[in-house]
Amino acid sequence: QKEVEQNSGPLSVPEGAIASLNCTYSDRGSQSFFWYRQYSGKSPELIMFIYSNGDKEDGRFTAQLNKASQYVSLLIRDSQPSDSATYLCAVQDSNYQLIWGAGTKLIIKP
Amino acid sequence: DAGVTQSPTHLIKTRGQQVTLRCSPKSGHDTVSWYQQALGQGPQFIFQYYEEEERQRGNFPDRFSGHQFPNYSSELNVNALLLGDSALYLCASSLSGNEQYFGPGTRLTVT
Repeated sequence: QKEVEQNSGPLSVPEGAIASLNCTYSDRGSQSFFWYRQYSGKSPELIMFIYSNGDKEDGRFTAQLNKASQYVSLLIRDSQPSDSATYLCAVQDSNYQLIWGAGTKLIIKP
Repeated sequence: DAGVTQSPTHLIKTRGQQVTLRCSPKSGHDTVSWYQQALGQGPQFIFQYYEEEERQRGNFPDRFSGHQFPNYSSELNVNALLLGDSALYLCASSLSGNEQYFGPGTRLTVT
């Protein structure tokens, strides 16, 4: 059974601080990793994807991947109240199927 | 450039009825995936269509079926609706199954 694990939260972070979201996965053959943001009642929005070990930065967002540890994380710098949402980690298997975590609820406190 | 569109936005059906949900992919995308999302949970994969064929299927009963048309748009059909089928149904499009972009979803309520 392929699994993706996330802490459900809520994770509370002060405005302007760094929010760190973590995800572990069970399938060592996974090649592609995605972070989606989902506001309440809305559909998921793709914010980052990463395929290689290391860091990938895009604006205030940094995705980190460590395939040896089967670990992927998302850092949000200078957190804003608008970043308050549920963050979903998704891992793509060799058949292009996305395996999803249950999401971490992030709350940015002004 | 239009993104992924879905119709209808909301739908209310009665147990035992059948429903059809529609999805138009983002321009340039050829693959459509369907997901069911219950409240407070991550999306659950239903199936994926590529080149008008079902390429992958998740752990959903045969009551869930789909179709992809030559213009890459897709339909999800659910027969013999159960109360447990109430959920947000999400369509995601991609190019050959890579980064997936979601439509706004269809909220289905079964009474």
